[in-house]
Amino acid sequence: DTEVTQTPKHLVMGMTNKKSLKCEQHMGHRAMYWYKQKAKKPPELMFVYSYEKLSINESVPSRFSPECPNSSLLNLHLHALQPEDSALYLCASSQPSQGYEQYFGPGTRLTVT
Amino acid sequence: SQKIEQNSEALNIQEGKTATLTCNYTNYSPAYLQWYRQDPGRGPVFLLLIRENEKEKRKERLKVTFDTTLKQSLFHITASQPADSATYLCALRRDYGQNFVFGPGTRLSVLP
Repeated sequence: DTEVTQTPKHLVMGMTNKKSLKCEQHMGHRAMYWYKQKAKKPPELMFVYSYEKLSINESVPSRFSPECPNSSLLNLHLHALQPEDSALYLCASSQPSQGYEQYFGPGTRLTVT
Repeated sequence: SQKIEQNSEALNIQEGKTATLTCNYTNYSPAYLQWYRQDPGRGPVFLLLIRENEKEKRKERLKVTFDTTLKQSLFHITASQPADSATYLCALRRDYGQNFVFGPGTRLSVLP
């Protein structure tokens, strides 16, 4: 199984809402990533978990809160977002021993109103 | 400052020809360089990885070269097909661990 799944596919939320994005992989990968992608731009790294510990936080605002409950699951908790946070949020996973080739999920299209 | 550039925002080629995409970088010393394909509204798909001590990698119709002196990677698709039309992204491993940065991408259109 080489699939990374993400839920929901689409999410519309108000600026005062709290919501969560979910990501799951069953490839046994020990690194998991969150990226943000705006239209016609490349993915931008937000967070990396390595062996379930947060290893990289690219100075992301605290309104984004990642969580890695176990080696297969990754969550991104959202609170008090701004309209400029509207984007495609991509989850990826990789295995360090395999050169970090990343397997991406289909993404969650987030719209903040 | 650190920068990654890909040769052009868009590239049109005729079916059957070889497409050559360029990834140039400055002020990085990447141990790995990766190439991905992304279709509209979908996540990127991994294609090839090349390490700093490798000059060339091949996979079916794809070939990647890596010149750490020129700070450049070339990505070739031979015998291109309309189904190869997509955005192609290069990604560098930054200084450590799983810290990757993507280039801006090249949108390839293969015309029948």
